[in-house]
Amino acid sequence: DTTVKQNPRYKLARVGKPVNLICSQTMNHDTMYWYQKKPNQAPKLLLFYYDKILNREADTFEKFQSSRPNNSFCSLYIGSAGLEYSAMYLCASSRGWGGADTQYFGPGTRLLVL
Amino acid sequence: GDSVIQMQGQVTLSENDFLFINCTYSTTGYPTLFWYVQYSGEGPQLLLQVTTANNKGSSRGFEATYDKGTTSFHLQKTSVQEIDSAVYYCAMSSSSFSKLVFGQGTSLSVVP
Repeated sequence: DTTVKQNPRYKLARVGKPVNLICSQTMNHDTMYWYQKKPNQAPKLLLFYYDKILNREADTFEKFQSSRPNNSFCSLYIGSAGLEYSAMYLCASSRGWGGADTQYFGPGTRLLVL
Repeated sequence: GDSVIQMQGQVTLSENDFLFINCTYSTTGYPTLFWYVQYSGEGPQLLLQVTTANNKGSSRGFEATYDKGTTSFHLQKTSVQEIDSAVYYCAMSSSSFSKLVFGQGTSLSVVP
């Protein structure tokens, strides 16, 4: 089973409120990623966990948090949502770390901030 | 830094038409190049991976090659079908331990 699951599929949030998105995989993959996808833009890597180690991209360092309580689950947390956070959020996992490893993506969570 | 440019935002073809999507890349490393396909309601999935310049990758009737001289890589299919309607992303990893950098995606619509 190469399924990556994301919950919820759609999320409506108010400006200034927190948002928590959930991702899970049962492939025992070491690495889990979060990407942000806006219309007409490329998917943008926000952060990834390699095992228990969190790596956040420099330009989004302060905007997103994440936790990985076990190998299977990973969350993406926004402390105070702004309008600019409206986007599709894609979770992915891979067996190892590195761009050459095939990444398996979930269907995404569409976040709308009003 | 590493970058990938995918210029064709939307492409509409008729069934049995020839598909050609091109991307250009920029890196100081040794790239591995990918094509991911995203069908409606699903996440992107790997379609093809090409690790060596001038070598072809092929899968499900699609072929991909890259040209180190022009720093470009492309995806082609001789005869597209309606089921090929999807968004196609090119992507690059400049080394074994670097992140995946995506292009903006090409939305392909194949009409009967």
